Amino acid sequence: GENVEQHPSTLSVQEGDSAVIKCTYSDSASNYFPWYKQELGKGPQLIIDIRSNVGEKKDQRIAVTLNKTAKHFSLHITETQPEDSAVYFCAAGTPNQFYFGTGTSLTVIP
Amino acid sequence: DGGITQSPKYLFRKEGQNVTLSCEQNLNHDAMYWYRQDPGQGLRLIYYSQIVNDFQKGDIAEGYSVSREKKESFPLTVTSAQKNPTAFYLCASSIRWTEAFFGQGTRLTVV
Repeated sequence: GENVEQHPSTLSVQEGDSAVIKCTYSDSASNYFPWYKQELGKGPQLIIDIRSNVGEKKDQRIAVTLNKTAKHFSLHITETQPEDSAVYFCAAGTPNQFYFGTGTSLTVIP
Repeated sequence: DGGITQSPKYLFRKEGQNVTLSCEQNLNHDAMYWYRQDPGQGLRLIYYSQIVNDFQKGDIAEGYSVSREKKESFPLTVTSAQKNPTAFYLCASSIRWTEAFFGQGTRLTVV
């Protein structure tokens, strides 16, 4: 089955700096890679996703890159703000299964 | 408003009891999922259903059961066979492994 690894588990950045979270996956059949943001006591919400036929996708301050050869993908948040503080999960999907990483707790220090 | 609703938000269970967590969606999604979330372990798939009257085990199905009699509903029963049921349970729905919409979760505590 798919194995998704996510690093780092915790990340602290100064407000205005960039944050990068990295994930690797094992199943070359995975073709959908979403990123979710979870605030305390709530369910995760999709913030950005990328499919295997695209190498990079950007949405305002958030971008995701995918390297299919190396089987890794990354989330980049620029100009971080205190409201970006949350737990972020990556995931990798195939037609039959959908696996999440273990999460990164991001703290943006004002 | 379209969305996915989980109830109750908090649930307390005595040892040896079965409890059922509710999940309802009005997004007309075919697929629904149950995940368990423990601190430091991310989300682990319990069961998923891609169509009415059909469901598949995920990675940690032991001690759990589900039904999918209606497209809108995917209840999860935590049975007495689940030895460590205290966790945060998340239900999600999607159009076949695309963007998953999550509910707000149910926090189950064994007392």
